[in-house]
Amino acid sequence: QLVLTQSPSASASLGASVKLTCTLSSGHSSYGIAWHQQQPEKGPRYLMKVDSDGSHTKGDGIPDRFSGSSSGAERYLTISSLQSDDEADYYCQTWDTGVVFGGGTKLTVL
Amino acid sequence: QLQLQESGPGLVKPSETLSLTCTVSGGSISSSSYYWGWIRQPPGKGLEWIGNIYYSGSTYYNPSLKSRVTISVDTSKNQISLKLSSVTAADTAVYYCARQYVGNPGFDYWGQGTLVPVSS
Repeated sequence: QLVLTQSPSASASLGASVKLTCTLSSGHSSYGIAWHQQQPEKGPRYLMKVDSDGSHTKGDGIPDRFSGSSSGAERYLTISSLQSDDEADYYCQTWDTGVVFGGGTKLTVL
Repeated sequence: QLQLQESGPGLVKPSETLSLTCTVSGGSISSSSYYWGWIRQPPGKGLEWIGNIYYSGSTYYNPSLKSRVTISVDTSKNQISLKLSSVTAADTAVYYCARQYVGNPGFDYWGQGTLVPVSS
């Protein structure tokens, strides 16, 4: 059974960079994933998809500060030049026999 | 610009059936390129997938909800619908509809969501 694992929380300073991780369960390291951002009291917003080769394709209007990469079974979301409104929950998602979501990472901007 | 808008009753009683509609504008629900899905989020918790539907009517459901869920599509109205039967307080959540490109691992457009409390 495919499982996506995310750290529950992360923090970084205003203006700095942060790298969030989504780990695919054993046997699923070839899967691509999608990243979503959910700001407080708002619905999710699609950020990008990240393929197993590390390439990423961003959604409409997503700033260059957001990028994706891969290594083995890990998929990353890097946010540079952190701003206060980057403080949000970040979810990864993939598709196997159905949709699978990670548990989400709450990012705090210090 | 694609837009998805959820609508339905603001409150559902325990043991009754929750019914929601998602209206799509700015794009056709009949496109062979997309799935259309329902996702929910209980207060303070993470995202839970409910199910997806293809324009042809093919459905894919979360096994944990499958016995209580029906998702349907009305191409003439550019809408999808969700029915969840025998609800309890545990079904209280914000319900979202969203679009998923076939071959893409994620939903690329989301509705704003609608809160459905289950309470007597």
